[in-house]
Amino acid sequence: DTGVSQNPRHKITKRGQNVTFRCDPISEHNRLYWYRQTLGQGPEFLTYFQNEAQLEKSRLLSDRFSAERPKGSFSTLEIQRTEQGDSAMYLCASSPDGYSYEQYFGPGTRLTVT
Amino acid sequence: SQKIEQNSEALNIQEGKTATLTCNYTNYSPAYLQWYRQDPGRGPVFLLLIRENEKEKRKERLKVTFDTTLKQSLFHITASQPADSATYLCALVTSGTYKYIFGTGTRLKVLA
Repeated sequence: DTGVSQNPRHKITKRGQNVTFRCDPISEHNRLYWYRQTLGQGPEFLTYFQNEAQLEKSRLLSDRFSAERPKGSFSTLEIQRTEQGDSAMYLCASSPDGYSYEQYFGPGTRLTVT
Repeated sequence: SQKIEQNSEALNIQEGKTATLTCNYTNYSPAYLQWYRQDPGRGPVFLLLIRENEKEKRKERLKVTFDTTLKQSLFHITASQPADSATYLCALVTSGTYKYIFGTGTRLKVLA
C-alpha cells in the first residue's frame, strides 16, 4: 500500500501527558499537511511542510503543539501537556508540488484525553 | 470575517435522484476549490477540483460549478446510489498560499 499512513490509529492519554503522532506521506510528495478534525466539523488546518521546511502554522495552534519533518519524509506532531480540548482526530495529508493537486489523506489518529 | 458555509443539516434523497450540495464563502478569493468525500472514521478522499476561471467541471456522475460572483460552488451527484451516502466537504485555496480551508461538510444520505 503506497498511501499515506498514520500511527498510532488511536491514542488515549491522561490530561497533562505528552503525545506524539507519526505520518508517512506518499514517497514522491513534497508537501505534507496536518489537520485537526472534531465531530461535525471539517478538517482544521494546523501546519504544512514543503520538504523539511515548515512554511505555515495556524495562529490557532498553541505553543504546546510542534511538528517536524526532519528529512523531508515522515513527519511527527507532538502535543505537550495535553488538555481535554485536544481530543480530536488528527489527519495528515500529502500532495505533490503545485496548487492544483489534490491532497491524499491518511486514516487519522484519534486522540482521547481523559 | 472569512467563512466557508455548507448545509449543516443532512440531505436525504431518493436513489436515482440528483443530489445538489452547496458551498458558500465570504471574504475569500479562492484560486481553486475542491470537493472531498469523507466516510465515518476515515480521512477525506479527493473528488474534483475547479479553478477560479472555470465555470463547470465533470467527472462521471459528478459535476461541480463555480460562481465567483455569487461566491458559491455547487456539487451535483446524478443518478445517486446508496453507496454515495457520506459527508461531502468543500475546500478552497487562496492565491499566494498553499493552505487549504475546509467547510464543515454536508452529510448526504441516499435512500434505497
